[in-house]
Amino acid sequence: SYELTQPLSVSVALGQTARITCGGNNIGSKNVHWYQQKPGQAPVLVIYRDSNRPSGIPERFSGSNSGNTATLTISRAQAGDEADYYCQVWDSSPVFGGGTKLTVL
Amino acid sequence: QVQLQESGPGLVKPSGTLSLTCAVSGGSISSSNWWSWVRQPPGKGLEWIGEIYHSGSTNYNPSLKSRVTISVDKSKNQFSLKLSSVTAADTAVYYCARDSGITMISFFDIWGQGTMVTVSS
Repeated sequence: SYELTQPLSVSVALGQTARITCGGNNIGSKNVHWYQQKPGQAPVLVIYRDSNRPSGIPERFSGSNSGNTATLTISRAQAGDEADYYCQVWDSSPVFGGGTKLTVL
Repeated sequence: QVQLQESGPGLVKPSGTLSLTCAVSGGSISSSNWWSWVRQPPGKGLEWIGEIYHSGSTNYNPSLKSRVTISVDKSKNQFSLKLSSVTAADTAVYYCARDSGITMISFFDIWGQGTMVTVSS
């Protein structure tokens, strides 16, 4: 089965740029989606098909995907961006990464 | 705007069957979307359980397939999950979610709030 690898945690200073990676074999050939999940809440889609933002998601959120790594980039990080972030692809069925906890310092 | 709401017992006995329903409001379950169940054990990540189309077609996570049944009730605009022979490992928050409906580019654009199910005697 296809595996997605995410760092357990990422820290970023307030106002700086955070990058969260999602590794997988030739993931660049797949469509990658990203979800934000705050404590006690349901996940929210923040990026779909590598780099597209759903309506209502700030432009500070962007995504890229190439080779064996997909990246979620959060510019001008805010305290409200603190959350768990999950990547997801489709490989015969939906597959999620293990999640990354983003801390804004 | 489409909204999803899970309902069902919060406590299930070991070896019993977990049963949940997801009510769809603000839209039709007969749209060109698949409808999924996703779960999250306490402190852990997300796991896709399975999905259903309004026609009744289903797909399941191979690791759970032998124990999972997902059904749809178009008259009530809802779909349901049954997970049999549950153990403590099935304790989790269970979410229902709407799939984009784009073939082989599955992503979940709308989620229910989730419901906690504990397996315990």
